[in-house]
Amino acid sequence: GAVVSQHPSRVICKSGTSVKIECRSLDFQATTMFWYRQFPKQSLMLMATSNEGSKATYEQGVEKDKFLINHASLTLSTLTVTSAHPEDSSFYICSASGQEGYGYTFGSGTRLTVV
Amino acid sequence: GENVEQHPSTLSVQEGDSAVIKCTYSDSASNYFPWYKQELGKRPQLIIDIRSNVGEKKDQRIAVTLNKTAKHFSLHITETQPEDSAVYFCAASSGGSTLGRLYFGRGTQLTVWP
Repeated sequence: GAVVSQHPSRVICKSGTSVKIECRSLDFQATTMFWYRQFPKQSLMLMATSNEGSKATYEQGVEKDKFLINHASLTLSTLTVTSAHPEDSSFYICSASGQEGYGYTFGSGTRLTVV
Repeated sequence: GENVEQHPSTLSVQEGDSAVIKCTYSDSASNYFPWYKQELGKRPQLIIDIRSNVGEKKDQRIAVTLNKTAKHFSLHITETQPEDSAVYFCAASSGGSTLGRLYFGRGTQLTVWP
């Protein structure tokens, strides 16, 4: 079946630094990648949608200059949290869509802690 | 855009009993309705899904029903087991072979007591 590999699974960074999260589709072409953020005991909140080779579409309230998304190939999408602050601490998870019949394939998630 | 409402937010049942979680959606264009189970710190796991051309789908102890006219769909878990304890999310999306964005419900914390 379709697999999306997400790295790192956990990261702790200092306030003001940047963190990059990668999602790779291992055995299919991810034409669309969705990036979500999930705070404790809450639902998944869509941050942005990216299509390969195009600029990402951000949801209202999500700062595009803070959360940089790159989807340069059909198998790799990255989310960079720039100048991270403690309030950015959350569970970030990607989801790929692209292979007919497979629906959505979620990455394993990244637990970001900003200290 | 789409709005997905999910109830209840918490549900406790005795092992062996049935559990039902209900969701409503607002956009008649939505045509794909997945249900996810999420354990703490892990990715959502698809447990069952249904498309708008089907009214009911069953997979062993899990079933989903869809009422397009009323715009609601439900998850039914029979003979619950302690390992069914998790957060369950319903979702809705539209699209053809390539799906659009998912709209999630707020989630239901299911606890199954032994």
